[in-house]
Amino acid sequence: LAKTTQPISMDSYEGQEVNITCSHNNIATNDYITWYQQFPSQGPRFIIQGYKTKVTNEVASLFIPADRKSSTLSLPRVSLSDTAVYYCLVGDYSGYSTLTFGKGTMLLVSP
Amino acid sequence: DAGVTQSPTHLIKTRGQQVTLRCSPKSGHDTVSWYQQALGQGPQFIFQYYEEEERQRGNFPDRFSGHQFPNYSSELNVNALLLGDSALYLCASSLARDRYNSPLHFGNGTRLTVT
Repeated sequence: LAKTTQPISMDSYEGQEVNITCSHNNIATNDYITWYQQFPSQGPRFIIQGYKTKVTNEVASLFIPADRKSSTLSLPRVSLSDTAVYYCLVGDYSGYSTLTFGKGTMLLVSP
Repeated sequence: DAGVTQSPTHLIKTRGQQVTLRCSPKSGHDTVSWYQQALGQGPQFIFQYYEEEERQRGNFPDRFSGHQFPNYSSELNVNALLLGDSALYLCASSLARDRYNSPLHFGNGTRLTVT
């Protein structure tokens, strides 16, 4: 399983764009990159998933360079409710595969 | 469309006791995974069930066991509880045959406190 490295914490203000970068130097060909968000005392919530280039949905964008050794989660115009821990995961989505969580990035959004 | 539900939400047990946690997967999902999350840490994979069999297991002792029922619901059992077993236990479900478009859906967990 590919190991991921991401900042322990980040600070931002409401209305700003936040970019969280994750390193995964030994990502395998079959691996996808997935980001989850977790609030205290809740289970992680899926944000976005991608394999290469750029993926965008209603809440975030995911940028993946050609070598796929890193990825960047972009949160546009964050609000106080975006304060949470964000996890970057890399894994093969075979039928029986699992995901390995690191410690994540604690994002604190201030007024 | 019901999401992943777990019961109970909170539980207090004494060292040496046994505990059973329950999980109902999201409607339509057939695979259930269990994770343990200690305070300040990311979730750690315990094991995964598919077609009523344990398919993969993380680095957890045999005191941790599980079961999946024909309706895809699952139980996590922990025997001989230790203080270090205190954690948030998360259940996640997914659909095996749609793996590329079926990320894990998590419940809100069971908070287990061992005294």
